[in-house]
Amino acid sequence: EAQVTQNPRYLITVTGKKLTVTCSQNMNHEYMSWYRQDPGLGLRQIYYSMNVEVTDKGDVPEGYKVSRKEKRNFPLILESPSPNQTSLYFCASSLSGVHYTFGSGTRLTVV
Amino acid sequence: AQTVTQSQPEMSVQEAETVTLSCTYDTSESDYYLFWYKQPPSRQMILVIRQEAYKQQNATENRFSVNFQKAAKSFSLKISDSQLGDAAMYFCAYRSGGNYQLIWGAGTKLIIKP
Repeated sequence: EAQVTQNPRYLITVTGKKLTVTCSQNMNHEYMSWYRQDPGLGLRQIYYSMNVEVTDKGDVPEGYKVSRKEKRNFPLILESPSPNQTSLYFCASSLSGVHYTFGSGTRLTVV
Repeated sequence: AQTVTQSQPEMSVQEAETVTLSCTYDTSESDYYLFWYKQPPSRQMILVIRQEAYKQQNATENRFSVNFQKAAKSFSLKISDSQLGDAAMYFCAYRSGGNYQLIWGAGTKLIIKP
């Protein structure tokens, strides 16, 4: 089944403790991206990648890092999480920018 | 910069009735795509309908149709014969022809009254 697998689904952590949210797709898509969803703001792009070893900032990159060492994986790294990064996170991938496949989301709470 | 506006934070409709969700966008480009996504409580993002800007004909998918007014930069979603399973958050999104980033509206929560 074609899918984007995102883990974990829920995560509660403390301020400053490094964490990684994993994202993997099995469709050989070149484009992958991370979004955060906040009430009243919709989804906003954090980082995206057009191919292996090619990443670029989206609209809200501060406090986040990503890497794209393999085509299928695009992890989101929070080196020192803060409460304002409490949000719902989505990973997405696309082949042509016409159809997007989303992960099931990660609900992150930073206390 | 492109922006997407959904002016209705919440809408409610009686089951079997028709409801229209509004979306406006701002862009100076002529080549772009517009999307409506549904997000039920499960959080999954589900594509409802997609419209290419160069196509004059409004897209339809079963009970879902759009009213695409390019000059007015309006992209409303009409849901006919509303069903309880249509209850969800609905997001309008824009994609420029030049890149793959999706620009999202704030969303409209749709409530279906039985």
